[in-house]
Amino acid sequence: NAGVTQTPKFQVLKTGQSMTLQCAQDMNHEYMSWYRQDPGMGLRLIHYSVGAGITDQGEVPNGYNVSRSTTEDFPLRLLSAAPSQTSVYFCASSLSGTLYEQYFGPGTRLTVT
Amino acid sequence: GENVEQHPSTLSVQEGDSAVIKCTYSDSASNYFPWYKQELGKGPQLIIDIRSNVGEKKDQRIAVTLNKTAKHFSLHITETQPEDSAVYFCAASKNTNAGKSTFGDGTTLTVKP
Repeated sequence: NAGVTQTPKFQVLKTGQSMTLQCAQDMNHEYMSWYRQDPGMGLRLIHYSVGAGITDQGEVPNGYNVSRSTTEDFPLRLLSAAPSQTSVYFCASSLSGTLYEQYFGPGTRLTVT
Repeated sequence: GENVEQHPSTLSVQEGDSAVIKCTYSDSASNYFPWYKQELGKGPQLIIDIRSNVGEKKDQRIAVTLNKTAKHFSLHITETQPEDSAVYFCAASKNTNAGKSTFGDGTTLTVKP
């Protein structure tokens, strides 16, 4: 099993550009989520999904969109990048929600200039 | 919503000493408390977790204690080794909102050889 994979590993965007961060898992997990990690702060939940076709907002959803068309994939879209979105983004999955171990991907480091 | 506070933010110990990291939570309904270790450039990885029906759990050199009355839980690492150096995060989740978990801000542990 590859576990949770994320692409790209690094990305630089200009203000106003859009892009999609990819996330995939091969563990047949129902639950997937996106977090951002900023220096000195914990992981903040952006969006999550409890199964294919179902998504919901987390703590900091503004400026991001998600969709879950398959169990395996959970892409995160930045609609119009802003410098405040400079961060490290982690995708995670678990068997069923946050009451079980979450498996994290290696992260995407995004810089918006 | 849930608020998780983690202390200290940095901790430095000599190899062989013990390390203790503490977290407090605000929502008495929270019932799952995982601890994650994040090494440099990687995603967080679960090291131990505890549920609210248990007061203590141990796995080799790592232990977690939970005090539901006081709403705090702690991570204990004994006989620390240089490879224990990392950032440690606590988190809290509850049954009635299993799509979301709240993370502490992290503790950077340095073990000096």
